[in-house]
Amino acid sequence: EMQLLGSGGGFVQPGGSLRLSCEGSGFIFSNYAMTWVRQAPGKGLEWVAGISDSGHKTYYADSVKGRFTISRDNSKSTLYLQMNSLRGEDTALYYCAEDPRGPYYWGPGTLVTVSS
Amino acid sequence: EVVMTQSPLSLPVTLGQPASISCRSSQSLVYSDGNTYLNWFQQRPGQSPRRLIYKVSNRDSGVPDRFSGSGSGTDFTLKISRVEAEDVGVYYCMQGTHWPGTFGQGTKVEIK
Repeated sequence: EMQLLGSGGGFVQPGGSLRLSCEGSGFIFSNYAMTWVRQAPGKGLEWVAGISDSGHKTYYADSVKGRFTISRDNSKSTLYLQMNSLRGEDTALYYCAEDPRGPYYWGPGTLVTVSS
Repeated sequence: EVVMTQSPLSLPVTLGQPASISCRSSQSLVYSDGNTYLNWFQQRPGQSPRRLIYKVSNRDSGVPDRFSGSGSGTDFTLKISRVEAEDVGVYYCMQGTHWPGTFGQGTKVEIK
């Protein structure tokens, strides 16, 4: 069964950077487009970024464009989210998931807190 | 970005009664491949989202048949034929046709 395990979350000051990772197992990682979705405390779901199976195509929500970079290393079955210039409104639980068109498998989420 | 608008945002229901959630998109969700990438998710408290319906009306494996999805173009509906206690949670529609994908605001289903 497909499993996704995120890591790299934590506490960071405004303006700081953080890199999230998500390791996939139980499936051929390089065959799947992947996505990051976040959820601020007590709020709804927000699609953050998506990447094609090869990694050649990437897409971002307007709220993170220019600050976040999604990437992947298919040799390591790992998805990344580099987050720069972090703001308080980026505080959220970040989920990695497959299929940006409608994810079925979701990781448990990794918490990012941006605060001074 | 495509805007997804759900209604109602809060839905108190009686056990055993039907429930319906509407989702409207700001533009057509028909993709160039002919598919409509409109999904429905359920999120119970403290859990990751669970996909219930994909491509408008296809129920995922293990999803009870009391859940059904319908619609086309820009207007979509999730129906629960008879609400059970385990259906309490927040329901989201999500479009994956136009990237970036976008979610509706969520509809909180609770028992009266």
